[in-house]
Amino acid sequence: DQQVKQNSPSLSVQEGRISILNCDYTNSMFDYFLWYKKYPAEGPTFLISISSIKDKNEDGRFTVFLNKSAKHLSLHIVPSQPGDSAVYFCAASANAGGTSYGKLTFGQGTILTVHP
Amino acid sequence: NAGVMQNPRHLVRRRGQEARLRCSPMKGHSHVYWYRQLPEEGLKFMVYLQKENIIDESGMPKERFSAEFPKEGPSILRIQQVVRGDSAAYFCASSPRQGSTVYGDTFGSGTRLTVV
Repeated sequence: DQQVKQNSPSLSVQEGRISILNCDYTNSMFDYFLWYKKYPAEGPTFLISISSIKDKNEDGRFTVFLNKSAKHLSLHIVPSQPGDSAVYFCAASANAGGTSYGKLTFGQGTILTVHP
Repeated sequence: NAGVMQNPRHLVRRRGQEARLRCSPMKGHSHVYWYRQLPEEGLKFMVYLQKENIIDESGMPKERFSAEFPKEGPSILRIQQVVRGDSAAYFCASSPRQGSTVYGDTFGSGTRLTVV
């Protein structure tokens, strides 16, 4: 049962344009969402997060949008740069109630390629 | 300020041997999570430990896998009698508190286990 889904295995964009990566989830207990970036042979690196009480969080070129009713979140990167080329993972946790212990449920990842 | 250290980076084992994967959390972090990434998949939670305690092992296979986080020294993920299906990248993440905060958990670079 895939509770967090990234339906696009890959995305290709031109340098300077917007990259939009999408993520859907099914578990309504999730209340915290994170995006990680991963290069080959390295561990995931935290990018940006959003709590379920918000619908938008922005950090520099990165913005995450959360639509709770649709159980959907997206990561916008503007402007995209070649150095952004990596695998992007969406992750979710259910912190309320204290029973999930902060463990993350990851999507399958989306390979982003930014062309110069 | 060292990050999460995992060793070895690469480990090759023959079927039936034992694999030991080590994780030293960031200084000051007393919470450790282990995740496994099978080829072409996202990371999947295995176990959450605090010093000398296993808090949540709901993602661990029932047999052959064990984990510990002693009072002194690194956390160890141990796989006995490895099989080809255990071939994967194993990532450790550490946190100063239970749960991913707005800054996310910090991941190590992973151990890539290959069973031949």
